[in-house]
Amino acid sequence: DTGVSQDPRHKITKRGQNVTFRCDPISEHNRLYWYRQTLGQGPEFLTYFQNEAQLEKSRLLSDRFSAERPKGSFSTLEIQRTEQGDSAMYLCASSPGGQGGETQYFGPGTRLLVL
Amino acid sequence: QQQVKQSPQSLIVQKGGISIINCAYENTAFDYFPWYQQFPGKGPALLIAIRPDVSEKKEGRFTISFNKSAKQFSLHIMDSQPGDSATYFCYPGGSNYKLTFGKGTLLTVNP
Repeated sequence: DTGVSQDPRHKITKRGQNVTFRCDPISEHNRLYWYRQTLGQGPEFLTYFQNEAQLEKSRLLSDRFSAERPKGSFSTLEIQRTEQGDSAMYLCASSPGGQGGETQYFGPGTRLLVL
Repeated sequence: QQQVKQSPQSLIVQKGGISIINCAYENTAFDYFPWYQQFPGKGPALLIAIRPDVSEKKEGRFTISFNKSAKQFSLHIMDSQPGDSATYFCYPGGSNYKLTFGKGTLLTVNP
């Protein structure tokens, strides 16, 4: 299966700690997205990359959040000084981009619990 | 500014019945109208999508109906099955990558 993969699948951390999540998109996809989803809600957009360039960031993405996609392949999302309100599912998606390439393929997500 | 409104928020149908979920949008620049299906603990997955040059698209038991003038599109699930129980999201957008998920509809199909 060459779908989107995310690691880890689950993370429990204490408030104030830093966490980092990884996303490996489908290999030929140049667009990569990060979302956050809380229980009973739809995914909320966090940020978006086209190749290695971070083209858009949501206002939801506070200064404690940073994302990178250094070589236009995998991406990392880091949360510094975690807070209990950061507890959520963090979803990564990729798409080929361009006309006809809008479909986003989601990974299984990383579930974060901040104690 | 809420660009996408999805209804109902939850829906219960009997096995074999028809499930209908609606999505209303505001942005006339949208040119791609998908529905995503999400099971608990999983990421959303594309179920079916339509472009504005057609008014209806059918794939098996799933049909999208699109009304451009009303800025609405609907998902119809015929002969609903317990395995269809999931959360469904409309996610209109397009090559401009506008990212606007609806709040989702929790569908429960009773056996």
